[in-house]
Amino acid sequence: AQKITQTQPGMFVQEKEAVTLDCTYDTSDPSYGLFWYKQPSSGEMIFLIYQGSYDQQNATEGRYSLNFQKARKSANLVISASQLGDSAMYFCAMREGRAGYSTLTFGKGTMLLVSP
Amino acid sequence: SAVISQKPSRDICQRGTSLTIQCQVDSQVTMMFWYRQQPGQSLTLIATANQGSEATYESGFVIDKFPISRPNLTFSTLTVSNMSPEDSSIYLCSVADRPNSPLHFGNGTRLTVT
Repeated sequence: AQKITQTQPGMFVQEKEAVTLDCTYDTSDPSYGLFWYKQPSSGEMIFLIYQGSYDQQNATEGRYSLNFQKARKSANLVISASQLGDSAMYFCAMREGRAGYSTLTFGKGTMLLVSP
Repeated sequence: SAVISQKPSRDICQRGTSLTIQCQVDSQVTMMFWYRQQPGQSLTLIATANQGSEATYESGFVIDKFPISRPNLTFSTLTVSNMSPEDSSIYLCSVADRPNSPLHFGNGTRLTVT
């Protein structure tokens, strides 16, 4: 089974509107972290936001927030007030376990297009 | 967070040749990771590189094809050997500069094999 599932291959949103990108995950480890990255057409991977499995509050970073629903194993990214520069590929990723330097498993990504 | 410089940023290579990708970090890091992103796909981990020890390869990746060096705490190289068109991908170096921190990525090397 896939550890990270992103069911939306592509999403369209108008400038200044909010958009939610879906991510569900699968793990039996009680300790894990969830990450969102943005990849513009230039190819670099930009870290956006992090949610730990024991965090009580949903993470927020500027216009990005993470809607963490632990029982449903979902970690959706919400982008408020979309901008043209938000057009990019977005990846959800997970780190399992408490090991400090364990790697990340990535989902297949969602392409977001923001129109004027 | 760590600043990662990756070279070359892109290259076009002939099949059967090899390319070495360099990853330089502006601070000492324990672990470095090499990922591959095939066209239109997600990121797949190739190997984890610790300084002073052999790299640990993921299933489907072997040292003869993707030899990795990690001579010190700020530098690593990945070689793509005996290339074929199937090796055309973006190769990304990443580091975690402290335990449980996000991975930070270099800008990637966009490789095309003809």
